[in-house]
Amino acid sequence: KNEVEQSPQNLTAQEGEFITINCSYSVGISALHWLQQHPGGGIVSLFMLSSGKKKHGRLIATINIQEKHSSLHITASHPRDSAVYICAVRDSGGGADGLTFGKGTHLIIQP
Amino acid sequence: DGGITQSPKYLFRKEGQNVTLSCEQNLNHDAMYWYRQDPGQGLRLIYYSQIVNDFQKGDIAEGYSVSREKKESFPLTVTSAQKNPTAFYLCASSPGGLGTGELFFGEGSRLTVL
Repeated sequence: KNEVEQSPQNLTAQEGEFITINCSYSVGISALHWLQQHPGGGIVSLFMLSSGKKKHGRLIATINIQEKHSSLHITASHPRDSAVYICAVRDSGGGADGLTFGKGTHLIIQP
Repeated sequence: DGGITQSPKYLFRKEGQNVTLSCEQNLNHDAMYWYRQDPGQGLRLIYYSQIVNDFQKGDIAEGYSVSREKKESFPLTVTSAQKNPTAFYLCASSPGGLGTGELFFGEGSRLTVL
């Protein structure tokens, strides 16, 4: 089973700063998800990617398949970006939901 | 708007009681999932279902049961056999088959055993 490590576990930054959250995994995958968990607990899917880079508004996700690493970037961060960001990978071997979730990165953006 | 509705949002249970968490989706998704989230841990899969009247155990199914009588509904029962049921429970669905496609989550249900 894949092992997913996220870093940092906790991150506090000032409004406007450029944010980077990292995700590393141990076994080849077919897809990687970035999820955002609101303070109330609900989860929203931000990106699903298997190669390259995706951008949505101020969010950018990149993945390097060879290095087994993905990053989530937030430009011009805002207090409303405060949330837990979760990386999840889908093993190439599939099976069941095939997903392994990271423990999450707790981000706080201060005004 | 399409989405996943979980209820109740908060639930308190006495030891020895069964409780059922509701999950309803109007996204017309075939695949549905139940996850458990504990502090400091990643989400863990309890049960999943790809089609009506079919469901499979996930990684931590002991003490839980599900049904899938309708495509839209995938309720989870936390039985008295679950030794440590206090947790946050998330229901999800995906448009593709099992293990494919984007995931859509509900707002979650927080269960506390008194």
